[in-house]
Amino acid sequence: AQTVTQSQPEMSVQEAETVTLSCTYDTSESDYYLFWYKQPPSRQMILVIRQEAYKQQNATENRFSVNFQKAAKSFSLKISDSQLGDAAMYFCAYRSEYSGAGSYQLTFGKGTKLSVIP
Amino acid sequence: EAQVTQNPRYLITVTGKKLTVTCSQNMNHEYMSWYRQDPGLGLRQIYYSMNVEVTDKGDVPEGYKVSRKEKRNFPLILESPSPNQTSLYFCATKRESYSNQPQHFGDGTRLSIL
Repeated sequence: AQTVTQSQPEMSVQEAETVTLSCTYDTSESDYYLFWYKQPPSRQMILVIRQEAYKQQNATENRFSVNFQKAAKSFSLKISDSQLGDAAMYFCAYRSEYSGAGSYQLTFGKGTKLSVIP
Repeated sequence: EAQVTQNPRYLITVTGKKLTVTCSQNMNHEYMSWYRQDPGLGLRQIYYSMNVEVTDKGDVPEGYKVSRKEKRNFPLILESPSPNQTSLYFCATKRESYSNQPQHFGDGTRLSIL
């Protein structure tokens, strides 16, 4: 079974600065997808960014980018020019590419709570 | 507007009193699933459905039932709720079960079982 580990339960960043949230995962599969979800106080789950494992290029969405290291099974999220609205819980998630029992299930890490200091 | 709607948003009830949390989507999505979120544990999948009348267990199915009689609805049923089912619940959907599209989440349902 796949596992996703977020080793930083809480982090803080000064407004306008850059912060990196770490995520590692364990899998024996070669094809899969990785996601970062944001959960603000409203409790909604909002997709921030996703990465296909077969792509070497790191995904980027505006101020959000990832550092995907497939061999190291690492998938960190970098937030540049942090804004107050970035304060939220961030979840890293893994999804297999293969069909079968439990297929297409999202496996989540335990989350990192990000605070943004004005 | 594309929506995943959960009801109720909040519920406080007592042990043993059957309850149903509804999930409805207006996007004609094939795939629907239920997660529970607990502090320090992240989100864990309870059940999922690949299509109408096709459901399967996730990681933590004990104490829950689901049904998928029609495409748009995927209710989560707690036949005899217990305090350890106090949690935040999310319904999520995806357009095609076998696609690589991300899942869309509902706004969550906070259940407290006394």
